[in-house]
Amino acid sequence: EIVMTQSPATLSVSPGERAILSCRATESVSNNLAWYQQKPGQAPRLLIYGTSTRATGIPARFSGSGSGTEYTLTISSLQSEDFAAYYCQQYTNWPLTFGGGTKVEIK
Amino acid sequence: EVQLVESGGGLVQPGRSLRLSCVASGFTFDDYAMHWVRQVPGKGLEWVSGIFWNSDSIGYADSVKGRFTISRDNAKNSLYLQMNSLRAEDTALYYCAKDLGATTAAIGYWGQGALVTVSS
Repeated sequence: EIVMTQSPATLSVSPGERAILSCRATESVSNNLAWYQQKPGQAPRLLIYGTSTRATGIPARFSGSGSGTEYTLTISSLQSEDFAAYYCQQYTNWPLTFGGGTKVEIK
Repeated sequence: EVQLVESGGGLVQPGRSLRLSCVASGFTFDDYAMHWVRQVPGKGLEWVSGIFWNSDSIGYADSVKGRFTISRDNAKNSLYLQMNSLRAEDTALYYCAKDLGATTAAIGYWGQGALVTVSS
């Protein structure tokens, strides 16, 4: 099983600032890496798939990068609606596995 | 509009069984792989099981292997999860989820979830 580790667990950021979230896999996931956003009381929402492709309707301030075992989600200028939990997930092998999440909170 | 509506959740005693259902609409169901993902309230996401568009390939998390069975009925646009020998640690919100592709890709859409509580 591929283990996904996200850091930091909590990120305190001021509105308008940039946030950088990291995700590391125990082996290469060959760019089969997705990011999800989840707000309290809501189902997760797909943000990024294939490491860097934004899902339909996702603003350009969200971008993904990385390769091999190291991946990053960047939110260029945080808006009030971006404060939420973020999860990375690999889909190169079953079982699909998620990182433990990063909570982005208002500083 | 894609819709995934789960049902069948509830309170069940340890060792008993429960069957979750998910009815899909707004897309061609048999073009896509489907998954069940669960989440303990306040905790992270755990993939439970997945099934290819044609049921040719099925996978399970180690935590549920041998106890849970995923299935689909493409004629009824429905996904199922038969959960046997339930344990307290199976307590979670169970999401029905649609893949972006027919086999394995990212999870494109999620239902609102069905709460399963395993307790005596």
